[in-house]
Amino acid sequence: DAGVIQSPRHEVTEMGQEVTLRCKPISGHDYLFWYRQTMMRGLELLIYFNNNVPIDDSGMPEDRFSAKMPNASFSTLKIQPSEPRDSAVYFCASRIQGLVNTEAFFGQGTRLTVV
Amino acid sequence: AQSVSQHNHHVILSEAASLELGCNYSYGGTVNLFWYVQYPGQHLQLLLKYFSGDPLVKGIKGFEAEFIKSKFSFNLRKPSVQWSDTAEYFCAVIYLSNDYKLSFGAGTTVTVRA
Repeated sequence: DAGVIQSPRHEVTEMGQEVTLRCKPISGHDYLFWYRQTMMRGLELLIYFNNNVPIDDSGMPEDRFSAKMPNASFSTLKIQPSEPRDSAVYFCASRIQGLVNTEAFFGQGTRLTVV
Repeated sequence: AQSVSQHNHHVILSEAASLELGCNYSYGGTVNLFWYVQYPGQHLQLLLKYFSGDPLVKGIKGFEAEFIKSKFSFNLRKPSVQWSDTAEYFCAVIYLSNDYKLSFGAGTTVTVRA
């Protein structure tokens, strides 16, 4: 498996524009997590899904942020409208919870810069 | 609220020195415990994990961690660090009684001087 795949790797956008970040989890994994990493706040959990259903979105900072998981192999995190303070690295991670415990595997991240 | 605390924000060491990073989690029943490492400009990679059994777990690159249930702790150790261990280290917990939420500590930046 190629691991967790995120796209794009880098995104530069102007304030007010819509930004969509994408994540493809490892096949067969039933949990998907979105994190945001900044110098000021460290690694924050934004939202996570189990079997494509959002379980906890309490970390989503504002209504400008939304996330979807239309199927087991794809998730998006959308920011509309974007603001400079949204600049950060966004990570997606996936894991499987079954009879055998496993760790979460992280994607390479998307570095978002809002100017 | 269930949380993860890392004791040190930034640790500076010389090569060959011993390293110990503290991690405590709040009570929440059965947990899975992890240490991840993030090298500059890279994503998070697993160093080691604890699910059950022997509380002393060994990971990659000479790291080990000890789970002490009575102290809710999972401290990371390395007897002799190298310059290449310069990175940020994150402790993480999955609370099995809380919808398997994966929570991270604030991270500890480790700088190893040659």
